Amino acid sequence: SAVISQKPSRDICQRGTSLTIQCQVDSQVTMMFWYRQQPGQSLTLIATANQGSEATYESGFVIDKFPISRPNLTFSTLTVSNMSPEDSSIYLCSVGALAGTYNEQFFGPGTRLTVL
Amino acid sequence: SQELEQSPQSLIVQEGKNLTINCTSSKTLYGLYWYKQKYGEGLIFLMMLQKGGEEKSHEKITAKLDEKKQQSSLHITASQPSHAGIYLCGADEYSSASKIIFGSGTRLSIRP
Repeated sequence: SAVISQKPSRDICQRGTSLTIQCQVDSQVTMMFWYRQQPGQSLTLIATANQGSEATYESGFVIDKFPISRPNLTFSTLTVSNMSPEDSSIYLCSVGALAGTYNEQFFGPGTRLTVL
Repeated sequence: SQELEQSPQSLIVQEGKNLTINCTSSKTLYGLYWYKQKYGEGLIFLMMLQKGGEEKSHEKITAKLDEKKQQSSLHITASQPSHAGIYLCGADEYSSASKIIFGSGTRLSIRP
């Protein structure tokens, strides 16, 4: 299994500012994903972080609001830009790796963001 | 697009009792995942089912995937306080480490 760390673990931010969340994995992985979990809700996929190319965003999420970097196979960042209270959520990164014939995915501990 | 429905949305069970959580897909699945989330924390991988009719167990938790690969159930036997949390089913349509789409989750509370 992969060990995933995220920084910061939590933050309280003012509206209009931006926050960059880091995701570090202890091994090289092909696929990295960013999810958002709004209060009391399930996880929603924001984007797939592709190494060496632009991230692939899901419907309803755009690069200007959630720019993502993936400089190498063990690290990715997600920035939440021009924040509003509606961005208050837990943001989780996950990594996917083939284990035999199926896909295993492991999740980081999450970053709890509160926007005032 | 893939949609997953979980039922029930929440469940309160007396300690020691059995319980079942269901997950239904609108499409045939390539893989079905079960995760557990402690309140406000990250996700813990429980099990992954890939073959129709497959069943896996870990300690007191058993997960099954139906033959058509569109429905899964998670069964907990003799529930304990440590089982409390949010259970999420997730599915991927394709192979090769693709993204997972999650169900709405089931919030499980265990009453002493």
